[in-house]
Amino acid sequence: DIQMTQSPSSLSASVGDRVTITCQASQDISNYLNWYQQKPGKAPKLLIYDASNLETGVPSRFSGSGSGTDFTFTISSLQPEDIATYYCQQYDNLPRNTFGQGTKLEIK
Amino acid sequence: QVQLVESGGGVVQPGGSLRLSCAASGFTFSSYGMHWVRQAPGKGLEWVAFIRYDGSNKYYADSVKGRFTISRDNSKNTLYLQMNSLRAEDTAVYYCAKGPATDYWGQGTLVTVSS
Repeated sequence: DIQMTQSPSSLSASVGDRVTITCQASQDISNYLNWYQQKPGKAPKLLIYDASNLETGVPSRFSGSGSGTDFTFTISSLQPEDIATYYCQQYDNLPRNTFGQGTKLEIK
Repeated sequence: QVQLVESGGGVVQPGGSLRLSCAASGFTFSSYGMHWVRQAPGKGLEWVAFIRYDGSNKYYADSVKGRFTISRDNSKNTLYLQMNSLRAEDTAVYYCAKGPATDYWGQGTLVTVSS
């Protein structure tokens, strides 16, 4: 199975900061990568698909980049409502869509 | 709009069984594979099972293989997960998600395995 290594596991930042999360795949997954946001008690919400495409309705401060094995998720200017846990997920090895361990984002 | 609604969760003793359902609407259910994904309390997301659009192929995580069975009824737009020989480590919120890339998720249903 493809392993996804996500870092950091937690992150504290101030409102307005630029926030970056990375995800590394154990093998080449092309651009078959999603990024999700999960708030407490809620289902994950898809933000980015195919590594860099913004899901409809998602604010433009969210972005993704990368291909192959190394990927980056960025929030350009952190807002209070962005407090959540973020997950990467590969879907190159369908149907075993493995997830990263998650990054818990908090406000400083 | 796409809607997925899980049901069937609850408290069950170790060794017991439970069947989860996921009612789908807002898309052509019979054209898409479907996943089950779970999340143990305070933990990350774990893929559990997948079924192809026509039910012809089914895939399972090693942790549930031989104990869980995924199925679907396209005439009822409903996905199922039959869970047998339940263990404490199966305690989790179970989500159904539209495949293949899990772009839409239900709200989840909590399964608690405890004596």
